[in-house]
Amino acid sequence: GNSVTQMEGPVTLSEEAFLTINCTYTATGYPSLFWYVQYPGEGLQLLLKATKADDKGSNKGFEATYRKETTSFHLEKGSVQVSDSAVYFCALSGGAGGTSYGKLTFGQGTILTVHP
Amino acid sequence: DTAVSQTPKYLVTQMGNDKSIKCEQNLGHDTMYWYKQDSKKFLKIMFSYNNKELIINETVPNRFSPKSPDKAHLNLHINSLELGDSAVYFCASNQQGSSYEQYFGPGTRLTVT
Repeated sequence: GNSVTQMEGPVTLSEEAFLTINCTYTATGYPSLFWYVQYPGEGLQLLLKATKADDKGSNKGFEATYRKETTSFHLEKGSVQVSDSAVYFCALSGGAGGTSYGKLTFGQGTILTVHP
Repeated sequence: DTAVSQTPKYLVTQMGNDKSIKCEQNLGHDTMYWYKQDSKKFLKIMFSYNNKELIINETVPNRFSPKSPDKAHLNLHINSLELGDSAVYFCASNQQGSSYEQYFGPGTRLTVT
């Protein structure tokens, strides 16, 4: 079945530092890939997505590129802010070997804390 | 207008009780989901309904029973609550045939004492 492996956390950075959170996946076919963000005390919000190989998703300064050859979807941001402190989840859905109806399979989540 | 709403936001109850969590979406989606987030933040699918029909039923104890009266609502009833049921439960929805992007509710924090 499908699986997602995320970089272990927590990650602590200073403001304006560069961020990378690694994400790799296992799936057959061509799944859609997502990054969701969960701010303290809130639900999950879609941060960005990519639906086919070589697609780059981007939003709020965050980027991730769908790399089928390395089965990866790493999240990057050039300069983080204190307000980016949250839990980040990599997820996938679909793919020929995946469960039907768009079930999301999540990575374990990475807690990011940004200090001033 | 809230897209996906859940009630209650917090639920504290004792072991052995029966409780329900409600979810409503006003996005016109045809598919709804329940996820459980444990204390380590790990998220796992529990159930999914498409147009009121159960389509995903992961390995969940029989004490958990979802009900979908219409495609805009998906409720979760839990019988004989146990300590291990303490978690945050998230409802989500999407439209089949789209890019599978799901919209999440704010979550219900269930604490069983």
